[in-house]
Amino acid sequence: SQTIHQWPATLVQPVGSPLSLECTVEGTSNPNLYWYRQAAGRGLQLLFYSVGIGQISSEVPQNLSASRPQDRQFILSSKKLLLSDSGFYLCAWNHRGLKLFFGSGTQLSVL
Amino acid sequence: GQSLEQPSEVTAVEGAIVQINCTYQTSGFYGLSWYQQHDGGAPTFLSYNALDGLEETGRFSSFLSRSDSYGYLLLQELQMKDSASYFCAALENQGGKLIFGQGTELSVKP
Repeated sequence: SQTIHQWPATLVQPVGSPLSLECTVEGTSNPNLYWYRQAAGRGLQLLFYSVGIGQISSEVPQNLSASRPQDRQFILSSKKLLLSDSGFYLCAWNHRGLKLFFGSGTQLSVL
Repeated sequence: GQSLEQPSEVTAVEGAIVQINCTYQTSGFYGLSWYQQHDGGAPTFLSYNALDGLEETGRFSSFLSRSDSYGYLLLQELQMKDSASYFCAALENQGGKLIFGQGTELSVKP
């Protein structure tokens, strides 16, 4: 069966520090991979999605970037965090359909 | 621009039926899906519609009308554990771009 791993569960970072969140999927190949961000009490904002290795579609022109160095690995990065980067970050995967499977999420607090 | 509109809050009593509506405006459209999220947790998939009509999955059903750019999630025999946020999501292109609405918070009262 397929599983998705996302870590860490919580993260507290100072403003201006770098960020690296990693997500891996097991039990499947060539998945679509996604990064979403959710502010408290709000909807899910699509940040990046990828249909294959090295193929990244960016939806948010901010200080975040994403990379997909391997088929089942998706990394979200920032060189310098802003206060506004705080939120609940969710990684997800699917096979090009409507059914999305989410990781357990990372609660990021930028102080 | 692209958007999905949902009511922000809905309240219903245990055992009742509730309908959560979603209207969408997207540059492309390849279907609508629905997710449930409990406080502090990740969203979980409930149902989807690639074509017009009703899809039934146990107590949950979802409906889509492409001509009206409208869909809804129907929850029957409500239980206290159904108290959660519900999101609709539209598939905007065949490459997999899935965008979400702002969510509807459902409160189930005894």
